[in-house]
Amino acid sequence: SQTIHQWPATLVQPVGSPLSLECTVEGTSNPNLYWYRQAAGRGLQLLFYSVGIGQISSEVPQNLSASRPQDRQFILSSKKLLLSDSGFYLCAWRRSGTGLYEQYFGPGTRLTVT
Amino acid sequence: GESVGLHLPTLSVQEGDNSIINCAYSNSASDYFIWYKQESGKGPQFIIDIRSNMDKRQGQRVTVLLNKTVKHLSLQIAATQPGDSAVYFCAELSQGAQKLVFGQGTRLTINP
Repeated sequence: SQTIHQWPATLVQPVGSPLSLECTVEGTSNPNLYWYRQAAGRGLQLLFYSVGIGQISSEVPQNLSASRPQDRQFILSSKKLLLSDSGFYLCAWRRSGTGLYEQYFGPGTRLTVT
Repeated sequence: GESVGLHLPTLSVQEGDNSIINCAYSNSASDYFIWYKQESGKGPQFIIDIRSNMDKRQGQRVTVLLNKTVKHLSLQIAATQPGDSAVYFCAELSQGAQKLVFGQGTRLTINP
């Protein structure tokens, strides 16, 4: 069976500090990978998605970046955090190929920028 | 379509009653729809999906209805239980697209 992991589960970082959030998927190969952000009591905002190693599509301009160094690893980074970067960050995966659309979400990372 | 900046609408129901959560979608080319349930502090979980060649699909205690004419999707939960308290999101996808487009979400609360 497939599982998705995210770490850390919670993080408190000062403004201006760097960020690295990691997501890994087990039990599948060549998945589509996604990073979402969710503000408190709000909907899901797609930040990045990747259809393969080294292939990153950015959905919104921001001071965040994403990388996919390995097939089942997706990393969200920032060089300098802003207060507005606080939120609940969710990673998701989906089987690649047509006809398979369901996304599976990880447990999330709650980031508080102080 | 996406409404990530808006506060979630809420729906309150009595325990044991049926719940109906509605969602309007914007893209007439969307051909796949999915409902997620998100409990507090957790990632969204898949509930049920439906393709555009269907207008109804049933799962365990849940039914999704699709009206393509008015671009409307609904999730019906039968005999609502306290464990159904959560935020429910609809999402749409058009063929060939790589990403789901999430709706605003609805917070469902259960009154004892």
